[in-house]
Amino acid sequence: DAKTTQPTSMDCAEGRAANLPCNHSTISGNEYVYWYRQIHSQGPQYIIHGLKNNETNEMASLIITEDRKSSTLILPHATLRDTAVYYCIVRGSNYKLTFGKGTLLTVNP
Amino acid sequence: EAGVTQSPTHLIKTRGQQATLRCSPISGHTSVYWYQQALGLGLQFLLWYDEGEERNRGNFPPRFSGRQFPNYSSELNVNALELEDSALYLCASSSRDRGAFFGQGTRLTVV
Repeated sequence: DAKTTQPTSMDCAEGRAANLPCNHSTISGNEYVYWYRQIHSQGPQYIIHGLKNNETNEMASLIITEDRKSSTLILPHATLRDTAVYYCIVRGSNYKLTFGKGTLLTVNP
Repeated sequence: EAGVTQSPTHLIKTRGQQATLRCSPISGHTSVYWYQQALGLGLQFLLWYDEGEERNRGNFPPRFSGRQFPNYSSELNVNALELEDSALYLCASSSRDRGAFFGQGTRLTVV
């Protein structure tokens, strides 16, 4: 599975957009990019996933660069409840999700 | 639609005992994944079951084992418990073309 690189932590003001970057330069053609988040001691929550097109759902938007070597998760209007560790994962053909350390997003009032 | 359910929520065992953790996947999902998350650490992949077969295994000793039943529910068994096995054990289920959805976990404490 391709590895991902994320910043350790980020801050965002409540009500503003939170843009979380992820690098996955070794991604291969059939691997999807998945985003999850985990709020303290809870099970990870699925957010969104994509292959090469940009995706949007009720929670977030996923922007994948044309070369697919990086992506950005966008939370359009961050709230205090969005404070969590966000994981960017490349899911290979074995369907296994390999979690890295993720980005701790802190939304400040 | 019910999500992934895990039981029990909390489990306290003595060192050397065996623990059995259970997971019911989302209806229609055939794959079940198990992860271990020790306090303050990341999620470590344990096992992947699909269609009743073990498909992949993480870097854990053989005393961590499991199975998947015909209804796709799954059990994780941990034998000869050690203090270091204390962790949150998470189960996730998925269908082949979608993301995996996690349960809320079983908190195992070994004393």
